[in-house]
Amino acid sequence: QKEVEQNSGPLSVPEGAIASLNCTYSDRGSQSFFWYRQYSGKSPELIMFIYSNGDKEDGRFTAQLNKASQYVSLLIRDSQPSDSATYLCAVNAYSSASKIIFGSGTRLSIRP
Amino acid sequence: EAQVTQNPRYLITVTGKKLTVTCSQNMNHEYMSWYRQDPGLGLRQIYYSMNVEVTDKGDVPEGYKVSRKEKRNFPLILESPSPNQTSLYFCASSLALTGGNTGELFFGEGSRLTVL
Repeated sequence: QKEVEQNSGPLSVPEGAIASLNCTYSDRGSQSFFWYRQYSGKSPELIMFIYSNGDKEDGRFTAQLNKASQYVSLLIRDSQPSDSATYLCAVNAYSSASKIIFGSGTRLSIRP
Repeated sequence: EAQVTQNPRYLITVTGKKLTVTCSQNMNHEYMSWYRQDPGLGLRQIYYSMNVEVTDKGDVPEGYKVSRKEKRNFPLILESPSPNQTSLYFCASSLALTGGNTGELFFGEGSRLTVL
């Protein structure tokens, strides 16, 4: 089992709809969770981080964390073509606080 | 401007010819790390460093070396490159991953390496 798992996609969502991206992790003691966005040919950039169970909202983005079920999700409301990118889930594992482990990413495509 | 700088950005080399990819950050970050990115495999950690003179292996360290003699620099060394090291490489830095810091990684622009 991979430590951080994501559906590779592509996930196709119409413009203006909600895009939902999911991620599961295996280390139950993981403390910190991140969502990075990566445009084709570019480096990843942080868009959200979350530490506590529940929802965290920032503009059109909402991160959701459920530690009991070991999943973290990212919702993008009012999806725009500029949201088309690969979204990487990352986890700072409890077992090694010096490692941030990435999932393989979900490719999101927003169709006009 | 706060940034992580990698060089070279693009490199084509041949099997066995030693090369170094440099990484420098100007944010006084303690933590630095190297990742490689391959299609379908995401970002895999090669080596990381918690501070000067402190380095440790990530998930895919074979064939690579690193050093951290200064806080700002973290070069990646391929002593004898092989074709399976053809990849996109990212250097990243962060404040210490503990002590209440967010753990946000700041990435360089990437170095695309091709080993023939």
